[in-house]
Amino acid sequence: AQSVTQPDIHITVSEGASLELRCNYSYGATPYLFWYVQSPGQGLQLLLKYFSGDTLVQGIKGFEAEFKRSQSSFNLRKPSVHWSDAAEYFCAVANNAGNMLTFGGGTRLMVKP
Amino acid sequence: GAGVSQTPSNKVTEKGKYVELRCDPISGHTALYWYRQSLGQGPEFLIYFQGTGAADDSGLPNDRFFAVRPEGSVSTLKIQRTERGDSAVYLCASSLRGSENIQYFGAGTRLSVL
Repeated sequence: AQSVTQPDIHITVSEGASLELRCNYSYGATPYLFWYVQSPGQGLQLLLKYFSGDTLVQGIKGFEAEFKRSQSSFNLRKPSVHWSDAAEYFCAVANNAGNMLTFGGGTRLMVKP
Repeated sequence: GAGVSQTPSNKVTEKGKYVELRCDPISGHTALYWYRQSLGQGPEFLIYFQGTGAADDSGLPNDRFFAVRPEGSVSTLKIQRTERGDSAVYLCASSLRGSENIQYFGAGTRLSVL
């Protein structure tokens, strides 16, 4: 069965600092990987996705993620964090039919002024 | 265009009551999904519809939970004899048919069972 682990429950960074959120997955085949962001009272918004091809993927709001098969990781990065990035971030993997997402437990990001 | 719409946004009920949660997917999306998000956790898959039929209901926790999508658009998640443990945010998502599915989520219904 597929699974996703986000080792960091909370992360606090200063505004303008760089950010890396960790994600490790377990899946038997080539995974479909996603990062979603959730602000309070709002639904999940897709930041970026990896299906195949280039292992470094660019997303919205200046985020990027790198797929590393050897490490079973799909870490999310941003070079300079803005206060509006404070939210909860979820990594997810899709099953091979692409119709069921398995989410990690989430990482809550707080941004210090 | 309009996104996924879920109503009500909040629902408070008493233990043992029946509740219905509604989801309006993005127009033209043939696939629809329900997830449940408990406090402090990531969403967990409940059920997936392709058109009118439930293609995968392996995530439904027990027979008190049921979902329908009679015309292939709007879906209703139904919970019978609610329990306090059913309290959670219920999220709906929709996507275009295809293997590279991107699921678009609604804001969810927060269900509180007293």
